[in-house]
Amino acid sequence: SQQGEEDPQALSIQEGENATMNCSYKTSINNLQWYRQNSGRGLVHLILIRSNEREKHSGRLRVTLDTSKKSSSLLITASRAADTASYFCATGPTGGGNKLTFGTGTQLKVEL
Amino acid sequence: GAVVSQHPSRVICKSGTSVKIECRSLDFQATTMFWYRQFPKQSLMLMATSNEGSKATYEQGVEKDKFLINHASLTLSTLTVTSAHPEDSSFYICSASRDRHPVSSGNTIYFGEGSWLTVV
Repeated sequence: SQQGEEDPQALSIQEGENATMNCSYKTSINNLQWYRQNSGRGLVHLILIRSNEREKHSGRLRVTLDTSKKSSSLLITASRAADTASYFCATGPTGGGNKLTFGTGTQLKVEL
Repeated sequence: GAVVSQHPSRVICKSGTSVKIECRSLDFQATTMFWYRQFPKQSLMLMATSNEGSKATYEQGVEKDKFLINHASLTLSTLTVTSAHPEDSSFYICSASRDRHPVSSGNTIYFGEGSWLTVV
């Protein structure tokens, strides 16, 4: 079964606005990662946050992690049309497991 | 960043035939490679994990004899879909890491561009 459920499933915003995507998961994790996928293409790693971290920044990206609520959010500030893509969270399990489990994804559309 | 190349990017094959998809790490040695399957507008489902020189570890529900995975070198893994059927039509994506345990270590995993398989 899917580990991560993402919300919203689809998001449409205007260029310049901020986009927030949320991810919830069910079991304990070692880390949580966010990936981007352009339509019909492979995935690009965006950012990784470890279970002992609460917030991380990378350029226009801000990720938060709340392990007590088993949730994470990805904020893209000052969005651009080129940010249009699907965004997935993926969790790495505790205990040294090697399986990255992906969420359902959010389809972001940034309009000019 | 490191580059992972998949070939072919698109392939159409007849029902009952076999098709091979290659995944190559172009500028690093990939100790571990992963194969995923993705249906349109859905998430990625892990099929199997392969370590160079070892047999692949398949996820529950994935048929080993149908989806043959070979990781014979540190730069190449192949996925062969045997006796393909229309329901095998999907987007197959590989990923690779220098690390044997990239998920737990948090080391970057690099994804290929994916391969579209259509079985007619």
